[in-house]
Amino acid sequence: QKEVEQNSGPLSVPEGAIASLNCTYSDRGSQSFFWYRQYSGKSPELIMSIYSNGDKEDGRFTAQLNKASQYVSLLIRDSQPSDSATYLCAVSGGSNYKLTFGKGTLLTVNP
Amino acid sequence: NAGVTQTPKFRILKIGQSMTLQCTQDMNHNYMYWYRQDPGMGLKLIYYSVGAGITDKGEVPNGYNVSRSTTEDFPLRLELAAPSQTSVYFCASSYSHSNQPQHFGDGTRLSIL
Repeated sequence: QKEVEQNSGPLSVPEGAIASLNCTYSDRGSQSFFWYRQYSGKSPELIMSIYSNGDKEDGRFTAQLNKASQYVSLLIRDSQPSDSATYLCAVSGGSNYKLTFGKGTLLTVNP
Repeated sequence: NAGVTQTPKFRILKIGQSMTLQCTQDMNHNYMYWYRQDPGMGLKLIYYSVGAGITDKGEVPNGYNVSRSTTEDFPLRLELAAPSQTSVYFCASSYSHSNQPQHFGDGTRLSIL
């Protein structure tokens, strides 16, 4: 069974700092990786997708993928209080093409 | 753009009652999914559908049923509500599976008392 593990958190960073969110996955054949942001009481919202090794940048967000280490991370630069949310890592492909979610990491950005 | 629309947003049921959670999408997506999310837990897949007339079980299908008569609609049925089904339910859709991201509805918050 595919497993996706995230650092349990909660993670607290000051405004303007870099927030680093980590995720490991068990299925070596996984091919697609997503980061979703979920504000309290709201639905998950896709913020990043990454499919190949290396870095992918989108504004203040950078996703990093290392398939050899089965590791994917999300960096948020210049963190803002509006970034305070739970971040969900999701993985698909390999032996199970369905999307598997981690439990999420709660991020709090303090003004 | 409506995207994925879920109704109702909130519902309280008594033990043993039944109800249907509605989900419709206007993006012409083939794949649709139902998840439940319990506090502090990730999203658990209940059922999914790869197209009209085709459905399959996910991780936690017990106590639920689905149907997919059209591309747009994917209702979730609870036949005999139990307290363990108290949760937030999300419907999602994607153009295809695996490498395509899923788009979520706003959720239905369901309490069984």
